[in-house]
Amino acid sequence: DIQMTQSPSSLSASVGDRVTFTCQASQDISKSLNWYQQKPGKAPKLLIYDASILDTGVPSRFSGSGSGTAFAFTISSLQPEDIATYYCQQYDNPPVTFGGGTKVEIK
Amino acid sequence: EVKLVESGGGLAQPGGSLRLSCAASGFTFRTFAMTWVRQAPGKGLEWVSVISGSAGSTDYTDSVKGRFTISRDNSKNTLYLQMNSLRAEDTAVYYCAKTPGLVRATLFDYWGQGTLVTVSS
Repeated sequence: DIQMTQSPSSLSASVGDRVTFTCQASQDISKSLNWYQQKPGKAPKLLIYDASILDTGVPSRFSGSGSGTAFAFTISSLQPEDIATYYCQQYDNPPVTFGGGTKVEIK
Repeated sequence: EVKLVESGGGLAQPGGSLRLSCAASGFTFRTFAMTWVRQAPGKGLEWVSVISGSAGSTDYTDSVKGRFTISRDNSKNTLYLQMNSLRAEDTAVYYCAKTPGLVRATLFDYWGQGTLVTVSS
């Protein structure tokens, strides 16, 4: 199975900060990478698919980049409602696998 | 509006069984593959199983093969997960999730609210 490693596991930043965290795949997955946001007690929500395409209705402050084995997720200006855990997920090779998550908190 | 509503979770003893259901609405159910994803308390997400739109193909994560069975009733727009020989490590919130394709799990564009399964004596 393809291993997905997210770093850091948690971060704390101020409102308005630019925040970036990463996801590394154990082998080349091209652009077969999705990002989800999960708020406490809620189901995950798809934000970005195919590494960089925003799902419908997702604010433009969110963005994704990368290909191959290295990917990044950026929030251009952190908002209080962005407090959540973010997961990457690959689908290049079954079974689909998720990263361990990055928890974003407000400083 | 796409809606997925899970039910059937609860407390089960080790070695016991539970059957989860997921009622779907707001889309043409039979034309999309459906999946189960679980999340152990305080842990990350783990894909469990997928079933194609026609129910002709299924797949499972290794840890549940031979114990869990995914199925669907397209006439009732309902997805199921029969869970047998339950273990403590199966304790988790189980989400049903829709995929945009007919056969494979690629991405999960809609999720249910989840149902908690606790395996304990």
